[in-house]
Amino acid sequence: NAGVTQTPKFQVLKTGQSMTLQCAQDMNHNSMYWYRQDPGMGLRLIYYSASEGTTDKGEVPNGYNVSRLNKREFSLRLESAAPSQTSVYFCASTGSGLGNTEAFFGQGTRLTVV
Amino acid sequence: KQEVTQIPAALSVPEGENLVLNCSFTDSAIYNLQWFRQDPGKGLTSLLLIQSSQREQTSGRLNASLDKSSGRSTLYIAASQPGDSATYLCRAAGNKLTFGGGTRVLVKP
Repeated sequence: NAGVTQTPKFQVLKTGQSMTLQCAQDMNHNSMYWYRQDPGMGLRLIYYSASEGTTDKGEVPNGYNVSRLNKREFSLRLESAAPSQTSVYFCASTGSGLGNTEAFFGQGTRLTVV
Repeated sequence: KQEVTQIPAALSVPEGENLVLNCSFTDSAIYNLQWFRQDPGKGLTSLLLIQSSQREQTSGRLNASLDKSSGRSTLYIAASQPGDSATYLCRAAGNKLTFGGGTRVLVKP
């Protein structure tokens, strides 16, 4: 089982560029999440999708958009990257609900915006 | 608003000593609490999940306890090894998922 797969693993963007971070899970999970992890700030929820076809804002959604393409895939888009979006991004999935079951994480995408 | 705190932020112990990692949360209305391990530059690996109705969970050398009334969870790692060196995070699952800041552990040979 691959679990949760994120691509790319590393990315450098110039300010104003756009990009999409991809996430896919093969565990038939209903819920998927995008987090960012910053030194001293811990993990913060950007957006989540409780089920296919639904998305909701998390703690820090500004500057991001998401798409729940199907049950397997949940993408995160930066329309106009800013240096403040330099971070490590993690995708996660759970069986159902906001936290009723065990969460599984991808390996992360290290994004630098210059 | 749920707040999750992990103290200390860093911990260094000699090999063989037992590790005790603390996680406190302000809102006791949680579904579960989960402990993760994160190695440098890597993702989060789930260690233990404790449902709100449970008091503890065990897996090998790891034991996690949960006391909802006091808003505390403790992760015990018995007979620590250098391979246990990592950052350990707890996550409280209520209406939102809230992570602690983590405890960075170094086990010295």
